[in-house]
Amino acid sequence: DAGITQSPRYKITETGRQVTLMCHQTWSHSYMFWYRQDLGHGLRLIYYSAAADITDKGEVPDGYVVSRSKTENFPLTLESATRSQTSVYFCASSESGYGYTFGSGTRLTVV
Amino acid sequence: KNEVEQSPQNLTAQEGEFITINCSYSVGISALHWLQQHPGGGIVSLFMLSSGKKKHGRLIATINIQEKHSSLHITASHPRDSAVYICAVENNTDKLIFGTGTRLQVFP
Repeated sequence: DAGITQSPRYKITETGRQVTLMCHQTWSHSYMFWYRQDLGHGLRLIYYSAAADITDKGEVPDGYVVSRSKTENFPLTLESATRSQTSVYFCASSESGYGYTFGSGTRLTVV
Repeated sequence: KNEVEQSPQNLTAQEGEFITINCSYSVGISALHWLQQHPGGGIVSLFMLSSGKKKHGRLIATINIQEKHSSLHITASHPRDSAVYICAVENNTDKLIFGTGTRLQVFP
């Protein structure tokens, strides 16, 4: 079924480990986004991409790395996880004038 | 001051009541979005508006571009409408600016 898929849904990792969250969309949308959602802060933009091989920082990019070698995939990597990165992460895609589609979220706990 | 303000922050209603959630913004926009998030759940896009009014089932969204204001109405509310409703505006950068959300609880 067409849409946007995030994996894993839940992840527990240790401080200092590298973690990659996956995001795959079947819409061929140009834009893709990574957000984190925390109590008291709402949704905050981490990184976004306007097309394959084009990425840019959002509001809270520190500690995260992204890549977009293919239009449909936009993985988010935490290079050395910290407890402050415990959060719910949402991937989204959009095409100008056509609205946004959000993934189901990844709940990440860093212990 | 946030660029997107929602009111109320929390809303409690009895089943069957008519509900209104408001959103005001202070920036120029190309579109406004209403999103829904159930507890522990994902985010669903309800509406994208650039002018006028849209209706989907019991949900109605309106926007007044001159007044920089939008409303989300729920008619004949039901407990399954209990969720957080988020207003977000899209400026010319194709990025969303989010409101802080309105938590709605509908009791039977």
